[in-house]
Amino acid sequence: SQQGEEDPQALSIQEGENATMNCSYKTSINNLQWYRQNSGRGLVHLILIRSNEREKHSGRLRVTLDTSKKSSSLLITASRAADTASYFCATVNYGQNFVFGPGTRLSVLP
Amino acid sequence: NAGVTQTPKFQVLKTGQSMTLQCAQDMNHEYMSWYRQDPGMGLRLIHYSVGAGITDQGEVPNGYNVSRSTTEDFPLRLLSAAPSQTSVYFCASSILPEPNGYTFGSGTRLTVV
Repeated sequence: SQQGEEDPQALSIQEGENATMNCSYKTSINNLQWYRQNSGRGLVHLILIRSNEREKHSGRLRVTLDTSKKSSSLLITASRAADTASYFCATVNYGQNFVFGPGTRLSVLP
Repeated sequence: NAGVTQTPKFQVLKTGQSMTLQCAQDMNHEYMSWYRQDPGMGLRLIHYSVGAGITDQGEVPNGYNVSRSTTEDFPLRLLSAAPSQTSVYFCASSILPEPNGYTFGSGTRLTVV
């Protein structure tokens, strides 16, 4: 079964609004990563947050991690049409492989 | 610097045929892996390698073989293609020991008829 599960499965917002996606996981992790996939392309690494971190920022992206709840959220502020993509979380444990969730499809409408 | 290069981009096979999906990276990454992506199921790990000469199975290895004779190359072989192997295949690589983030190839879209 998938380690990471994104929520919601699909999200539609207007340009300029904020988009929030959530990821829940089941076992302990060393870090959690978020990836973006544009239609027909490979995944692109966005941001990594380690298990001893609670929040991280990168440009318009803000990621939080709550290890007690085994959950993470990705916030995209002031969204643009170019942010339309699928977003995946991946959990990582030392000595083990990445485990990806099924993803959230984000549509940003102009 | 090309990153991770996958070939071919598209392929149609008949049931029972074999083929090799190529993956090469020029970043001297120790770790390489193959995933398949199916609608609604995210990415599932097929095989992975932590260095030349070392490979191991992932979540869905049946019907696939891999080898890692060099650091740069990690080909995926379909032994006898089946319609259930219709999917998009991604190769990814990263540094070790703690993978900081995968670099993905652009994918191979495979259809088995």
